[in-house]
Amino acid sequence: GAVVSQHPSWVICKSGTSVKIECRSLDFQATTMFWYRQFPKQSLMLMATSNEGSKATYEQGVEKDKFLINHASLTLSTLTVTSAHPEDSSFYICSARVEAGGESQPQHFGDGTRLSIL
Amino acid sequence: GQNIDQPTEMTATEGAIVQINCTYQTSGFNGLFWYQQHAGEAPTFLSYNVLDGLEEKGRFSSFLSRSKGYSYLLLKELQMKDSASYLCAGLDSNYQLIWGAGTKLIIKP
Repeated sequence: GAVVSQHPSWVICKSGTSVKIECRSLDFQATTMFWYRQFPKQSLMLMATSNEGSKATYEQGVEKDKFLINHASLTLSTLTVTSAHPEDSSFYICSARVEAGGESQPQHFGDGTRLSIL
Repeated sequence: GQNIDQPTEMTATEGAIVQINCTYQTSGFNGLFWYQQHAGEAPTFLSYNVLDGLEEKGRFSSFLSRSKGYSYLLLKELQMKDSASYLCAGLDSNYQLIWGAGTKLIIKP
């Protein structure tokens, strides 16, 4: 149980393109999902917390107009990187927590999306 | 401020035992997680401790001392596939995860 699916796994596109990444909880409902970014050989950096039916909560320094998050259902959150540039190239990972059992439940991660902007 | 400290890198031999330490300072405490992350992959959940003591799961065990703000992950009978980064993360009073930078574990034959 607690499977999180993330799609696509790899994106290569030209500078200026907008890229949408989907995160789905396959066998559980998730009111809250999390979006992380990880640069090579660095730790996970939380970008934003996605809340079903309401606005996402962004971490300091993350541009909400550049990284659009939509969490329209209890099983799907999307991250859109708008007008992507080479410096946005990174490994983007989503996670979700099984709601039943409370906020101490572990986050379960999708497989990540490797984004390369040319 | 909130902080998680763990060693950057450790090396161990196949078949041996290794202990990865983690110290934490969080605003309140609602538990501590350990995750494994292989290179180029997403993290996978290993363990969660909220009470003092040792939790054993097969070859992996995790220990917590709340009074010392300290945890460790113990890996026994090391296998080459255990080569990965191990992430320690503390859950603060707002149930926010505070991540450590990870410990890269290198297993040698």
